[in-house]
Amino acid sequence: EVHLVESGGGLVQPGGSLRLSCTASGFAFSNYWMSWVRQAPGKGLEWVTNLNPDGSGEYYVDSVRGRFTTSRDNAKNSLYLQMNGLRAEDTAIYYCADPDSYWGQGTLVTVSS
Amino acid sequence: QAGLTQPPSASKDLGQTATLTCTGNSDNVGSQGAAWLLQHQGHPPRLLSYRNNNRPSGISERLSASRSGNTASLTIIGLLPEDEADYFCSAWDTSLGAWVFGGGTKLTVL
Repeated sequence: EVHLVESGGGLVQPGGSLRLSCTASGFAFSNYWMSWVRQAPGKGLEWVTNLNPDGSGEYYVDSVRGRFTTSRDNAKNSLYLQMNGLRAEDTAIYYCADPDSYWGQGTLVTVSS
Repeated sequence: QAGLTQPPSASKDLGQTATLTCTGNSDNVGSQGAAWLLQHQGHPPRLLSYRNNNRPSGISERLSASRSGNTASLTIIGLLPEDEADYFCSAWDTSLGAWVFGGGTKLTVL
Protein backbone atom coordinates (compact mmCIF):
# COMPACT_ATOMS: atom_id res chain seq x y z
CA GLU A 1 0.00 0.00 0.00
CA VAL A 2 1.28 3.45 -0.93
CA HIS A 3 1.86 6.01 1.79
CA LEU A 4 3.13 9.58 1.61
CA VAL A 5 3.51 11.16 5.04
CA GLU A 6 4.28 14.86 5.36
CA SER A 7 5.65 16.55 8.46
CA GLY A 8 7.20 19.83 9.54
CA GLY A 9 4.26 22.20 9.24
CA GLY A 10 3.33 24.69 11.93
CA LEU A 11 2.92 28.33 12.84
CA VAL A 12 5.66 30.71 11.75
CA GLN A 13 5.99 34.48 11.68
CA PRO A 14 6.21 36.39 8.40
CA GLY A 15 9.76 36.27 7.11
CA GLY A 16 10.45 33.02 8.92
CA SER A 17 11.46 29.59 7.64
CA LEU A 18 10.17 26.04 7.77
CA ARG A 19 11.37 22.75 6.33
CA LEU A 20 8.75 20.22 5.27
CA SER A 21 9.51 16.53 4.89
CA CYS A 22 7.69 13.76 3.09
CA THR A 23 8.43 10.09 3.56
CA ALA A 24 7.26 7.66 0.90
CA SER A 25 6.59 3.92 1.00
CA GLY A 26 4.92 1.29 -1.11
CA PHE A 27 6.20 2.40 -4.52
CA ALA A 28 9.49 2.98 -6.35
CA PHE A 29 10.01 6.53 -5.09
CA SER A 30 13.35 6.96 -6.82
CA ASN A 31 11.71 6.52 -10.24
CA TYR A 32 9.13 9.26 -9.80
CA TRP A 33 8.99 12.99 -10.40
CA MET A 34 7.61 14.37 -7.13
CA SER A 35 5.74 17.60 -6.44
CA TRP A 36 4.58 19.81 -3.62
CA VAL A 37 1.04 21.08 -4.09
CA ARG A 38 -0.65 23.50 -1.69
CA GLN A 39 -4.20 24.44 -0.83
CA ALA A 40 -4.97 27.70 0.92
CA PRO A 41 -7.94 27.63 3.33
CA GLY A 42 -11.17 27.30 1.36
CA LYS A 43 -9.34 27.49 -1.98
CA GLY A 44 -8.31 25.18 -4.78
CA LEU A 45 -5.09 23.30 -5.45
CA GLU A 46 -1.92 25.08 -6.53
CA TRP A 47 1.21 23.33 -7.79
CA VAL A 48 4.27 24.73 -6.02
CA THR A 49 7.31 22.81 -7.25
CA ASN A 50 8.50 19.52 -8.64
CA LEU A 51 11.73 17.60 -8.81
CA ASN A 52 12.95 14.99 -11.24
CA PRO A 53 13.86 11.47 -10.07
CA ASP A 54 17.57 12.04 -9.50
CA GLY A 55 17.09 15.51 -7.99
CA SER A 56 18.95 17.36 -10.71
CA GLY A 57 16.01 19.30 -12.14
CA GLU A 58 13.63 21.43 -10.11
CA TYR A 59 10.85 23.76 -11.16
CA TYR A 60 8.82 26.33 -9.22
CA VAL A 61 5.71 28.42 -9.50
CA ASP A 62 6.61 32.09 -9.94
CA SER A 63 5.32 33.12 -6.50
CA VAL A 64 7.81 30.96 -4.58
CA ARG A 65 10.84 30.95 -6.90
CA GLY A 66 13.88 32.19 -5.00
CA ARG A 67 12.28 31.57 -1.60
CA PHE A 68 11.50 27.83 -1.67
CA THR A 69 13.88 24.95 -2.46
CA THR A 70 12.89 21.35 -3.05
CA SER A 71 15.23 18.40 -2.64
CA ARG A 72 15.13 14.65 -2.17
CA ASP A 73 17.05 11.78 -0.65
CA ASN A 74 16.21 8.64 -2.58
CA ALA A 75 18.09 6.45 -0.11
CA LYS A 76 15.60 7.59 2.53
CA ASN A 77 12.59 7.71 0.18
CA SER A 78 12.16 11.32 1.23
CA LEU A 79 11.22 14.63 -0.34
CA TYR A 80 11.86 18.00 1.27
CA LEU A 81 10.70 21.59 0.91
CA GLN A 82 12.78 24.35 2.47
CA MET A 83 10.64 27.47 2.75
CA ASN A 84 12.31 30.81 3.50
CA GLY A 85 10.93 34.34 3.57
CA LEU A 86 7.47 33.06 4.34
CA ARG A 87 4.50 35.34 3.68
CA ALA A 88 0.89 35.31 4.86
CA GLU A 89 -0.17 34.17 1.41
CA ASP A 90 1.92 31.01 1.82
CA THR A 91 -0.55 29.81 4.48
CA ALA A 92 -1.92 26.51 3.20
CA ILE A 93 -1.97 22.76 3.55
CA TYR A 94 1.08 21.43 1.71
CA TYR A 95 0.73 18.07 0.00
CA CYS A 96 3.52 15.85 -1.20
CA ALA A 97 2.36 14.19 -4.42
CA ASP A 98 2.84 12.78 -7.80
CA PRO A 99 -0.31 14.53 -9.05
CA ASP A 100 -1.01 11.72 -11.51
CA SER A 101 -0.63 8.95 -8.96
CA TYR A 102 -0.17 9.45 -5.24
CA TRP A 103 -1.08 12.09 -2.69
CA GLY A 104 -0.11 12.53 0.93
CA GLN A 105 -2.33 13.64 3.81
CA GLY A 106 -0.83 17.11 3.93
CA THR A 107 0.75 19.32 6.57
CA LEU A 108 -0.58 22.73 7.55
CA VAL A 109 1.65 25.79 7.33
CA THR A 110 0.34 28.97 8.94
CA VAL A 111 2.21 32.24 8.47
CA SER A 112 1.01 34.82 10.94
CA SER A 113 2.31 37.24 13.54
CA GLN B 1 0.43 30.34 -14.30
CA ALA B 2 -2.85 29.78 -16.17
CA GLY B 3 -5.09 27.03 -14.88
CA LEU B 4 -7.79 24.75 -16.21
CA THR B 5 -11.43 25.80 -16.33
CA GLN B 6 -14.12 23.95 -14.39
CA PRO B 7 -17.69 25.04 -13.62
CA PRO B 8 -17.72 26.06 -9.94
CA SER B 9 -20.80 24.05 -9.08
CA ALA B 10 -23.16 21.32 -10.26
CA SER B 11 -26.19 19.65 -8.74
CA LYS B 12 -27.98 16.44 -9.61
CA ASP B 13 -30.59 14.22 -8.02
CA LEU B 14 -29.76 11.00 -6.22
CA GLY B 15 -29.41 8.16 -8.74
CA GLN B 16 -28.93 10.48 -11.70
CA THR B 17 -25.82 10.93 -13.85
CA ALA B 18 -23.42 13.86 -13.51
CA THR B 19 -20.86 14.86 -16.11
CA LEU B 20 -18.18 17.29 -14.98
CA THR B 21 -15.98 19.12 -17.47
CA CYS B 22 -12.46 20.52 -17.45
CA THR B 23 -11.18 22.72 -20.27
CA GLY B 24 -7.55 23.47 -21.01
CA ASN B 25 -5.56 23.91 -24.19
CA SER B 26 -3.31 21.97 -26.55
CA ASP B 27 -0.32 22.37 -24.20
CA ASN B 28 -2.01 20.53 -21.34
CA VAL B 29 -5.33 18.66 -21.57
CA GLY B 30 -5.22 18.39 -25.34
CA SER B 31 -1.84 16.68 -25.46
CA GLN B 32 -1.29 15.31 -21.97
CA GLY B 33 -4.74 14.33 -20.77
CA ALA B 34 -6.23 15.24 -17.40
CA ALA B 35 -6.32 13.46 -14.06
CA TRP B 36 -9.34 13.76 -11.79
CA LEU B 37 -9.34 14.17 -8.04
CA LEU B 38 -12.08 14.05 -5.43
CA GLN B 39 -11.90 15.93 -2.15
CA HIS B 40 -14.31 15.72 0.73
CA GLN B 41 -14.35 18.56 3.21
CA GLY B 42 -11.43 18.31 5.59
CA HIS B 43 -9.75 15.46 3.71
CA PRO B 44 -6.84 15.31 1.25
CA PRO B 45 -7.43 14.88 -2.50
CA ARG B 46 -7.96 11.34 -3.76
CA LEU B 47 -7.11 10.28 -7.30
CA LEU B 48 -10.15 9.08 -9.27
CA SER B 49 -8.66 8.79 -12.74
CA TYR B 50 -5.20 8.82 -14.26
CA ARG B 51 -4.40 11.08 -17.22
CA ASN B 52 -4.90 8.08 -19.50
CA ASN B 53 -8.52 7.84 -18.24
CA ASN B 54 -7.91 4.59 -16.38
CA ARG B 55 -9.16 4.20 -12.81
CA PRO B 56 -6.82 3.39 -9.91
CA SER B 57 -7.66 0.22 -8.02
CA GLY B 58 -10.51 0.67 -5.59
CA ILE B 59 -12.27 3.40 -7.54
CA SER B 60 -15.90 2.65 -8.36
CA GLU B 61 -16.87 1.54 -11.86
CA ARG B 62 -19.63 4.15 -11.66
CA LEU B 63 -16.95 6.69 -12.57
CA SER B 64 -15.47 7.07 -16.03
CA ALA B 65 -13.21 9.69 -17.58
CA SER B 66 -12.81 10.74 -21.19
CA ARG B 67 -11.33 13.50 -23.31
CA SER B 68 -12.33 15.28 -26.49
CA GLY B 69 -9.86 17.78 -27.81
CA ASN B 70 -8.92 20.20 -25.04
CA THR B 71 -11.81 19.22 -22.75
CA ALA B 72 -11.75 16.37 -20.26
CA SER B 73 -14.88 14.93 -18.70
CA LEU B 74 -15.71 12.86 -15.64
CA THR B 75 -19.01 11.00 -15.66
CA ILE B 76 -20.55 9.57 -12.50
CA ILE B 77 -23.58 7.33 -12.90
CA GLY B 78 -26.07 6.36 -10.21
CA LEU B 79 -25.20 9.26 -7.91
CA LEU B 80 -24.91 8.42 -4.21
CA PRO B 81 -24.83 10.77 -1.22
CA GLU B 82 -21.10 10.13 -0.80
CA ASP B 83 -20.46 11.50 -4.30
CA GLU B 84 -21.15 14.97 -2.93
CA ALA B 85 -17.69 16.55 -2.88
CA ASP B 86 -15.31 18.88 -4.67
CA TYR B 87 -13.86 17.55 -7.92
CA PHE B 88 -10.60 18.86 -9.35
CA CYS B 89 -8.85 18.18 -12.64
CA SER B 90 -5.12 18.43 -13.22
CA ALA B 91 -2.79 18.24 -16.19
CA TRP B 92 0.88 18.63 -17.01
CA ASP B 93 1.46 21.73 -19.11
CA THR B 94 4.31 21.24 -21.57
CA SER B 95 4.62 24.95 -22.29
CA LEU B 96 4.72 26.09 -18.65
CA GLY B 97 6.69 23.06 -17.43
CA ALA B 98 4.25 22.88 -14.53
CA TRP B 99 1.20 21.06 -13.25
CA VAL B 100 -1.98 23.08 -13.67
CA PHE B 101 -5.24 22.56 -11.83
CA GLY B 102 -8.84 23.46 -12.33
CA GLY B 103 -10.57 25.59 -9.75
CA GLY B 104 -12.79 22.67 -8.79
CA THR B 105 -16.47 21.80 -9.18
CA LYS B 106 -18.58 21.43 -6.06
CA LEU B 107 -21.04 18.62 -6.79
CA THR B 108 -24.24 18.60 -4.76
CA VAL B 109 -26.37 15.45 -4.72
CA LEU B 110 -29.99 16.41 -4.06
